[in-house]
Amino acid sequence: DAKTTQPTSMDCAEGRAANLPCNHSTISGNEYVYWYRQIHSQGPQYIIHGLKNNETNEMASLIITEDRKSSTLILPHATLRDTAVYYCIGRSNDYKLSFGAGTTVTVRA
Amino acid sequence: KAGVTQTPRYLIKTRGQQVTLSCSPISGHRSVSWYQQTPGQGLQFLFEYFSETQRNKGNFPGRFSGRQFSNSRSEMNVSTLELGDSALYLCASSLGDLLTGELFFGEGSRLTVL
Repeated sequence: DAKTTQPTSMDCAEGRAANLPCNHSTISGNEYVYWYRQIHSQGPQYIIHGLKNNETNEMASLIITEDRKSSTLILPHATLRDTAVYYCIGRSNDYKLSFGAGTTVTVRA
Repeated sequence: KAGVTQTPRYLIKTRGQQVTLSCSPISGHRSVSWYQQTPGQGLQFLFEYFSETQRNKGNFPGRFSGRQFSNSRSEMNVSTLELGDSALYLCASSLGDLLTGELFFGEGSRLTVL
């Protein structure tokens, strides 16, 4: 079964950084950590992914711990449009793809 | 290029009926995966097809099935519908393996079972 865990919800002030943690204890050595977000009534949207090193793109930064059992997605300057459910993707022991429950992020003006 | 297309977008069925949903992946993508999303259970993996073969399957009963055609288009079928099957069904396509390739999602098919 699913082995990714995320906080249920998080509030963030507009313009501030939002740090979203995820535990993915069953990630194997050659599999990537992916983050997606879903804005209400739309399909999930890719944000960022990484293997071992920290990654940054125009949307976010990803920090992966050295043991790869957890990661943190950082939205550097949250805007109202970043209000969404954020999912990190891991893999369970029996190879079933796991989305986790996601973190509902609410950005407040 | 065109994104992932799912049809129909909305449909209403009654208990005991069956339903078929369609997904057209991005051109060149060979992997199509399906997900069920409900308020109570969140986003759950149904199955994945790659080159017409089911490669992974989630924890759903045998009433849920799927297939993939040679052009990578995929269909999923739910037989003997139950009220609890009401959900948003999403499909996603990718170039390769689920965990090493970016997933591109469609807008989903919203199924209501009465």
